Amino acid sequence: EPEVTQTPSHQVTQMGQEVILRCVPISNHLYFYWYRQILGQKVEFLVSFYNNEISEKSEIFDDQFSVERPDGSNFTLKIRSTKLEDSAMYFCASSGGGTRGTEAFFGQGTRLTVV
Amino acid sequence: AQSVTQLDSQVPVFEEAPVELRCNYSSSVSVYLFWYVQYPNQGLQLLLKYLSGSTLVKGINGFEAEFNKSQTSFHLRKPSVHISDTAEYFCAVSPRPAGSYQLTFGKGTKLSVIP
Repeated sequence: EPEVTQTPSHQVTQMGQEVILRCVPISNHLYFYWYRQILGQKVEFLVSFYNNEISEKSEIFDDQFSVERPDGSNFTLKIRSTKLEDSAMYFCASSGGGTRGTEAFFGQGTRLTVV
Repeated sequence: AQSVTQLDSQVPVFEEAPVELRCNYSSSVSVYLFWYVQYPNQGLQLLLKYLSGSTLVKGINGFEAEFNKSQTSFHLRKPSVHISDTAEYFCAVSPRPAGSYQLTFGKGTKLSVIP
């Protein structure tokens, strides 16, 4: 069964450092997303990506965040200068087009710890 | 904008007993409705979704949910739970028509099945 793959599963970084979280979406999907879940809080939407550009982003997704689809398979989230409050579980998701877009498939997440 | 309220943060229930996990939503536009499950150390898996048609939807693992437009609710039910149903359950909505299928999640309900 196709699945969304995220690497690494856990990353520890020092405050102020740049991190790149990587995702391989399901191959024939068209929409790509990043969500995050701070410990004890709800899963929050960060950004959606379609046709090689950002289609929507939340207030959380400020200038320190960026996304990229550098090739035909990877989808990355970059945090330019990490802060303590960026510590969270980050989920990548993808969905197909049309009514298939209503089902988002999630990866297992990357736990980011900023120290 | 949309919001989702899951009224119970934790629900303990004995094995083979029925369970209902409650979800209410608020939205200025029509929405699609979803329930996701998260098992320990795993990503989010879609249990079921309501797009249109019959208000009673059936999902995987014997779960079902009923959409009630007048009460803006989408409660999840299972007539007889198993130990393996122990997990966290998230209700979510996305606006229709959908440009990017962005999901807004509730805070989650932790279901603990007691042997």
